[in-house]
Amino acid sequence: QQPVQSPQAVILREGEDAVINCSSSKALYSVHWYRQKHGEAPVFLMILLKGGEQKGHEKISASFNEKKQQSSLYLTASQLSYSGTYFCGTAEWDRGDDKIIFGKGTRLHILP
Amino acid sequence: EAQVTQNPRYLITVTGKKLTVTCSQNMNHEYMSWYRQDPGLGLRQIYYSMNVEVTDKGDVPEGYKVSRKEKRNFPLILESPSPNQTSLYFCASSLSAGITDTQYFGPGTRLTVL
Repeated sequence: QQPVQSPQAVILREGEDAVINCSSSKALYSVHWYRQKHGEAPVFLMILLKGGEQKGHEKISASFNEKKQQSSLYLTASQLSYSGTYFCGTAEWDRGDDKIIFGKGTRLHILP
Repeated sequence: EAQVTQNPRYLITVTGKKLTVTCSQNMNHEYMSWYRQDPGLGLRQIYYSMNVEVTDKGDVPEGYKVSRKEKRNFPLILESPSPNQTSLYFCASSLSAGITDTQYFGPGTRLTVL
């Protein structure tokens, strides 16, 4: 089941905050976040493996609400370098396989 | 340098002409995977492999074949390409299970089928 990301796109000014949500109708085993800049490969940001887990480095962090089957990515005091498309990928408990299903992505554009 | 490489990076071909896109990683990773990326659809998994000689279907396997004869290589084969397989393809690898580990993506192969 493909996770649903929201919003689809967001435009911010440098220094503003953004939240990107990823939700699933299935119980999740893990949530993965990647960022892709135009014309480049996706780059890993973080994985959340446990319900209630929060992770972060510098001004990018994420939370995983297992019961709500969703994750949120927080970008604080955004920088121009944060522009790109953000993908969440989810692994489901019930499938018993090793598949990650990615959402359609959230396009983030930071203006100076 | 630790990396995932793909070849070719760009390919234009015609319907029905068999082609292979190679993928190789030098990180001794167990898990390898192929994705296709189309505008508005995100990344969709084609096939994945958890180890040598072990492969499994992703969400969009129709029209593709893979093999994993060596740990480092995971080629994607299109036996009879069709225009709907025009896409950007990414190979990825991770140390162990794809659902718990970081995936490292190759640079991508842009395929056009006429």
